[in-house]
Amino acid sequence: QKEVEQNSGPLSVPEGAIASLNCTYSDRGSQSFFWYRQYSGKSPELIMFIYSNGDKEDGRFTAQLNKASQYVSLLIRDSQPSDSATYLCAAGRYKLIFGTGTRLQVFP
Amino acid sequence: DAMVIQNPRYQVTQFGKPVTLSCSQTLNHNVMYWYQQKSSQAPKLLFHYYDKDFNNEADTPDNFQSRRPNTSFCFLDIRSPGLGDAAMYLCATSGDSNEQFFGPGTRLTVL
Repeated sequence: QKEVEQNSGPLSVPEGAIASLNCTYSDRGSQSFFWYRQYSGKSPELIMFIYSNGDKEDGRFTAQLNKASQYVSLLIRDSQPSDSATYLCAAGRYKLIFGTGTRLQVFP
Repeated sequence: DAMVIQNPRYQVTQFGKPVTLSCSQTLNHNVMYWYQQKSSQAPKLLFHYYDKDFNNEADTPDNFQSRRPNTSFCFLDIRSPGLGDAAMYLCATSGDSNEQFFGPGTRLTVL
């Protein structure tokens, strides 16, 4: 059974802090890794993708991938209250397995 | 703007009454997906089309069917909705890369 595991949270961080979200996956054949942001009642929105080991930065977001450890993370710098949402990790090839998400709360 | 559109956004149906949800895309992506998502759960893949090739997930109930008449449109048919089918139904597309882009979803309520 291919799985993607995430801590459900909530992860609470103060405004301006770094939020660190983590994810592990079971399928070593996974080639693509994604982070989606999902606000309550809305659909997932793609915010980051990473295919190679290492770090990938885009604005306030950094995705990190370690294939040997089967571990993906997302760092959000200078967290804002508008970042409060559920963050879904997904792994796979063209078919993705999604985690259940980590709820992030950024408080002023 | 290129996008994925789902209609209707909210659908109310009665137990056992067939319902069809629609998805259209202007991204010209060759892959289209249907997911079911219940509260606090991960999106669950029901099936996907690679061009015209239909791929059903092993655990998708027979009650769920799909059609893709052309590149732009894809439909989800629920033949006899049960109370357990109440959920958000998400359509997504992907092209040459594996990035999937989601539509806004259809919230299905079964009375």
